[in-house]
Amino acid sequence: KAGVTQTPRYLIKTRGQQVTLSCSPISGHRSVSWYQQTPGQGLQFLFEYFSETQRNKGNFPGRFSGRQFSNSRSEMNVSTLELGDSALYLCASSTLPGQQETQYFGPGTRLLVL
Amino acid sequence: AQTVTQSQPEMSVQEAETVTLSCTYDTSESDYYLFWYKQPPSRQMILVIRQEAYKQQNATENRFSVNFQKAAKSFSLKISDSQLGDAAMYFCAYQNNDMRFGAGTRLTVKP
Repeated sequence: KAGVTQTPRYLIKTRGQQVTLSCSPISGHRSVSWYQQTPGQGLQFLFEYFSETQRNKGNFPGRFSGRQFSNSRSEMNVSTLELGDSALYLCASSTLPGQQETQYFGPGTRLLVL
Repeated sequence: AQTVTQSQPEMSVQEAETVTLSCTYDTSESDYYLFWYKQPPSRQMILVIRQEAYKQQNATENRFSVNFQKAAKSFSLKISDSQLGDAAMYFCAYQNNDMRFGAGTRLTVKP
C-alpha cells in the first residue's frame, strides 16, 4: 500500500498570503489529522477529520482551517500568513478516528514564511 | 489537559549497546494509548511501538520494547543492540481524543 502523501513538500510564502496544503491518506483510511511541528513548540495537534467532518480541533487561531473530501483526501488552509507559521506540517491517517487507531504519518510539508 | 514529558533532550549510545528513553505523562483518563515514534533526518515520522493502557503486558517489537507503568504514568522505550540506523529524534505520544507529543529525545548512536 502506498503511504500517506503530502503536497507540496516545500513552500515559500510571504506574510499576509494564504496557503493550501494537501494530504492523501493511505488507501482505506478515512480519518486524517494535521499537526504543526516547530522547534519552539514541538508537535502540536491542529485538527482531525473523519467522513468530511471535523471531529477535533487543537488550540490554533481561526486562520487555520481544513476540510476533507469524499475520497478522504484532506486540505488545510492558512490565511493571512505570519512569520510564526513557518513550520513542518504533518498529516497522519488512520482507518477510523479514535484512541485505538494507530496514525501513520506523511513526509510533511515544510512551509517557510518570509 | 494531558501532557507528555520527555526529560532527556539528548541521549547517546554505543552501537550494539542498549539504551532507554524516558517518558512520563499526565492524565485522568483510564483508557488511552501510548506510542513511540521515530523521526529521522528525513522528517518522516515512523511508528516504533504502541501500547494499549488496558494491557498490562509490555509491548515488544523486535529490538524495541517498552516498560509501561500505568500507576506511575511512565512509558519508557528500550532499544537493544542499537544500530546506526536508530539515530533519530524519538517522540513519546499519548492518544485519547487527540494525540499529544512529548518534546522529543535526540538519540545519537556511536560506531
